[in-house]
This record gives sequence, structure tokens and C-alpha cells, in this order.
Amino acid sequence: DGGITQSPKYLFRKEGQNVTLSCEQNLNHDAMYWYRQDPGQGLRLIYYSQIVNDFQKGDIAEGYSVSREKKESFPLTVTSAQKNPTAFYLCASSVRAGSYEQYFGPGTRLTVT
Amino acid sequence: DAKTTQPPSMDCAEGRAANLPCNHSTISGNEYVYWYRQIHSQGPQYIIHGLKNNETNEMASLIITEDRKSSTLILPHATLRDTAVYYCIVRGDSGGSNYKLTFGKGTLLTVNP
Repeated sequence: DGGITQSPKYLFRKEGQNVTLSCEQNLNHDAMYWYRQDPGQGLRLIYYSQIVNDFQKGDIAEGYSVSREKKESFPLTVTSAQKNPTAFYLCASSVRAGSYEQYFGPGTRLTVT
Repeated sequence: DAKTTQPPSMDCAEGRAANLPCNHSTISGNEYVYWYRQIHSQGPQYIIHGLKNNETNEMASLIITEDRKSSTLILPHATLRDTAVYYCIVRGDSGGSNYKLTFGKGTLLTVNP
């Protein structure tokens, strides 16, 4: 079964704590992406990676960090510097950056109080 | 700097065709029109894309006007499971800046029994 997995589905943290969201894909895709979605809004790009050991900032990278040490994994860390971290986080992948189809994971809903 | 305009919501009767409009009057010659949908609390799913010709696949049809300033996504026989937010996205096909999908607020399609 090929696809993208994100864990956990729901995550609760206290303000001031860093938290890392997991994203794994077994589609052999080169490119991976992290988006954020707020209630009633569209998706906004946080970071993307075109290939292993490479990543670029998206539109709202402040307060977030990523790594891409393995092709299949692209974890996102939400740091304490992110002012409004409560959101729905979506990971996606594509064959290459710019491919017409991005495959999305089920998302992680992060709540910070 | 939204590139597309969609109605916020639409209703459709089960079994009937759902026609979702999208305006993209500033589209440039090398930009494609993409459609994705997002069922509540899930990741978005690719539906279809096109440049200037009409396109059809197992999920939907895409009709693009001759001047390419607008398009319509058609779900020929809507089912209750088609209830979702539908996103119309404009993006170029190649080049380093065309890595991301810019999701607006989309159209919430509600299919009624």
C-alpha cells in the first residue's frame, strides 16, 4: 500500500514547547511539502524539499524548521517562536517539484494551549 | 494576490451534475488550471488539470473557455461522497517557482439526498 502517513492525527502541546510532526512516504517521490491550514482557509506552504538534503522556505516558514535526511521522511518542527501554532498541518509529496499531482497525507491537527 | 475566484458554496442534488465555476482572468499562457478537493478534515485530493483543451478522467470533466479566463469542473453524477471543498488553482508547469499549489478558500459543494 503506497501513500503518505502523518502521525499523530491529533497533537496537544503546551505553549513554549517545540513539537515535531512526522511525515513518511513510500511512493519514492523526490519532492515533499508541508502546508498549514487554518479554519475556513486554504492551504499555505511552509517548507518544501525537492530532493534529499535540500529544502526551501515557503510562504510562512517563520517559526518552523524541517530536515530531509532520507527520501521517505520530511519531519516538521513547530518551534516556540511560531506565534500561532494551532492549525491543521498537511504533508504532501510529488514525483518531482512541480509535478502536476501532489499526494497529501491525512494531516495532523495541532493544538497549543 | 489570489489568481482564481470561486463561489464560496454551492448545492447539488444527488445524481445530478455538479458544475463548479472558476474565474482566472489573469492566467498567463503557460499556466495550467488544476482542481483539487478536500473532504472535511482530510488531505486534499487531485482531480484534474488542463491547459486549454477540455479534459476528462474517471472523476470529472474540465471545461476551459477559449480565452482561458474561466473554467468549469463538472462532476457528472454527484454522490453524497462528493461533498467537499473544491479548489481551483492556477500554476505554471515548470521552473523552480512552480513547486507550490496556492490554495484559496475554494467552493464548498454540498450534495443533498
